Amino acid sequence: TQLLEQSPQFLSIQEGENLTVYCNSSSVFSSLQWYRQEPGEGPVLLVTVVTGGEVKKLKRLTFQFGDARKDSSLHITAAQPGDTGLYLCAGARSNDYKLSFGAGTTVTVRA
Amino acid sequence: GAGVSQSPSNKVTEKGKDVELRCDPISGHTALYWYRQSLGQGLEFLIYFQGNSAPDKSGLPSDRFSAERTGGSVSTLTIQRTQQEDSAVYLCASSLEPAPDRGNTIYFGEGSWLTVV
Repeated sequence: TQLLEQSPQFLSIQEGENLTVYCNSSSVFSSLQWYRQEPGEGPVLLVTVVTGGEVKKLKRLTFQFGDARKDSSLHITAAQPGDTGLYLCAGARSNDYKLSFGAGTTVTVRA
Repeated sequence: GAGVSQSPSNKVTEKGKDVELRCDPISGHTALYWYRQSLGQGLEFLIYFQGNSAPDKSGLPSDRFSAERTGGSVSTLTIQRTQQEDSAVYLCASSLEPAPDRGNTIYFGEGSWLTVV
């Protein structure tokens, strides 16, 4: 059983459309991270959110941490083919070095 | 190189054979992690090393799995008597310090893809 549930599992959209990926848990985390992983490579950190209700923007990507620090979302505006990849959320508990990962959302952006 | 280096990148082995996977962390990083990524599943924590402290082996799935870190740098993950369910990508990662909740970035290697036939 995954501690973090991601939805949807797969997402295929046309270039220029918007998309949202969700990451939900019944557990509280002190921080939540989002990674992007491309085929044959390791995950690369996109952002870390630490405060309930926090919103962070990274160019066309917007990340939100839920008020109760149990869920998060990733929104991509005007998606581009370069956004294609596996998006993973990962939660960390206070003073714990172990990350709990969701199963990931595979995003495909068609040109 | 500047990143986490893993070898081999791909390994096909026969069921019952032993395999060794190597990880070279980023120079100066004291924390080293091994995760396993199976198809359709998220990353599963295996083991953690921090400096000279005893490693956290709580994620190792069975006693066929072991890992060591020599001189606080290179790490080797060993799987004895491999089984088909061991097939996965084994990812190594390192960070300057532990505790990602304090904003320390974890850097992952490209992984070692293990196939047991």
